[in-house]
Amino acid sequence: DTGVSQDPRHKITKRGQNVTFRCDPISEHNRLYWYRQTLGQGPEFLTYFQNEAQLEKSRLLSDRFSAERPKGSFSTLEIQRTEQGDSAMYLCASSDSVRTSDLDTQYFGPGTRLTVL
Amino acid sequence: AQSVAQPEDQVNVAEGNPLTVKCTYSVSGNPYLFWYVQYPNRGLQFLLKYITGDNLVKGSYGFEAEFNKSQTSFHLKKPSALVSDSALYFCAVRDTTGAGSYQLTFGKGTKLSVIP
Repeated sequence: DTGVSQDPRHKITKRGQNVTFRCDPISEHNRLYWYRQTLGQGPEFLTYFQNEAQLEKSRLLSDRFSAERPKGSFSTLEIQRTEQGDSAMYLCASSDSVRTSDLDTQYFGPGTRLTVL
Repeated sequence: AQSVAQPEDQVNVAEGNPLTVKCTYSVSGNPYLFWYVQYPNRGLQFLLKYITGDNLVKGSYGFEAEFNKSQTSFHLKKPSALVSDSALYFCAVRDTTGAGSYQLTFGKGTKLSVIP
């Protein structure tokens, strides 16, 4: 396994701009999650996909946020009209619902650090 | 609603001494419990989990944790701390009550400093 990868690792943008992040899960993992982590806090759940279906969304995921996983492989998270409060680390994780030895373990990527000026 | 408390923001321990990082949780039903470690500017690395079975679970790098249902705790332990164990540790819980919710709820983290 090559692990979960995220791109870009860092993004600096101006308030009001749109940004898009990409996550590539561990191959064959059918579940994919997005979390947000601010300084001094633990990660907070944003949304969850099983294959291409988005099955859970947190109240944190305002209508400026949209996530997709069109073919059940990679996922994108878009933030429209960014605000300074969106500055955070955005973490992606994936898990496998088939292999019982690894069931329910979420493996995290390195994150994308967003700074909104 | 599920929640996790890590009562200590920071834990300091001398190298070679045993370490404990505390975690308590609250869920409606049966919990799945996890420990992750985070190094600066990195994502979270999985250490260990409790799903069912033995209350004492062993994980990576010599860490272990004990599930205590009556005290709703899942403390992380290691018999002999290394300087390289210095990092931020997160406890997380998933409430298995009901179908379909796979989100993890994390504590605020505990910074572990191992002093040479």
